[in-house]
Amino acid sequence: GIQVEQSPPDLILQEGANSTLRCNFSDSVNNLQWFHQNPWGQLINLFYIPSGTKQNGRLSATTVATERYSLLYISSSQTTDSGVYFCAVGYSSASKIIFGSGTRLSIRP
Amino acid sequence: DADVTQTPRNRITKTGKRIMLECSQTKGHDRMYWYRQDPGLGLRLIYYSFDVKDINKGEISDGYSVSRQAQAKFSLSLESAIPNQTALYFCATSDAAERETQYFGPGTRLLVL
Repeated sequence: GIQVEQSPPDLILQEGANSTLRCNFSDSVNNLQWFHQNPWGQLINLFYIPSGTKQNGRLSATTVATERYSLLYISSSQTTDSGVYFCAVGYSSASKIIFGSGTRLSIRP
Repeated sequence: DADVTQTPRNRITKTGKRIMLECSQTKGHDRMYWYRQDPGLGLRLIYYSFDVKDINKGEISDGYSVSRQAQAKFSLSLESAIPNQTALYFCATSDAAERETQYFGPGTRLLVL
C-alpha cells in the first residue's frame, strides 16, 4: 500500500519563528489533507490540497503531486500552533485516506 | 452544537467485556469512518461506510464490528475487549460534495484493563 512519511518527527521553536513541515508519499494520490491535532486531542482539518497552493492566514500549503510531496508552512508561530500535524492521503475512488505518523510541533513562549 | 459527536468520551473496561462506541453527525454526510490512534502514531482506519447499506473493512478491522443504524449514526463494537485495544478512537464523516474533506468527532479514550 501507499506509504506516507512526515518530517521532521519533532520540532521545537520559539514563538514568532517560521516552520516548514513535509509530507512525502509513495504513489499517486487523488486526495491530500493536512490536519492539526491540538494538545487536547481534537483534530481539525487545515487544508484539502491534492495539488497546488493554498493559504489561510498564517498557514499555507503546497502540494507537488508529480514529485509526490506536500509542504505545510506556518509563519509567525504562536503557542496555540502547538500540537501534532498530520498529512493524510487518499489514493483510490474508495475514499479511504492513509495518515502519516505526524510532526509534533512545540512553540515556546 | 458539534457536527460530529461521540459517546462516551472516556471509558474504562475489563478484558473480555463487550463495549459499544457511538457516533452521530448532523452534517448530512453519507460517508462515515472509525479510526484508532495509538500514542505517537497517526490514525489507522478500522471500518468505513458510504451509506446505510454499505460497510467496508479498513486496515485493522480484526476484533471490531460496526453498525450503520441510519445515515447519521455509526457505531463501533468491541465484542471481547483486550488490552491492546486501549487507544483513542475517532469517528469522522465526509461527503463527495466537499471533496471528501474529513470532519472528526472529539474522540473516545478507551482503556482496557
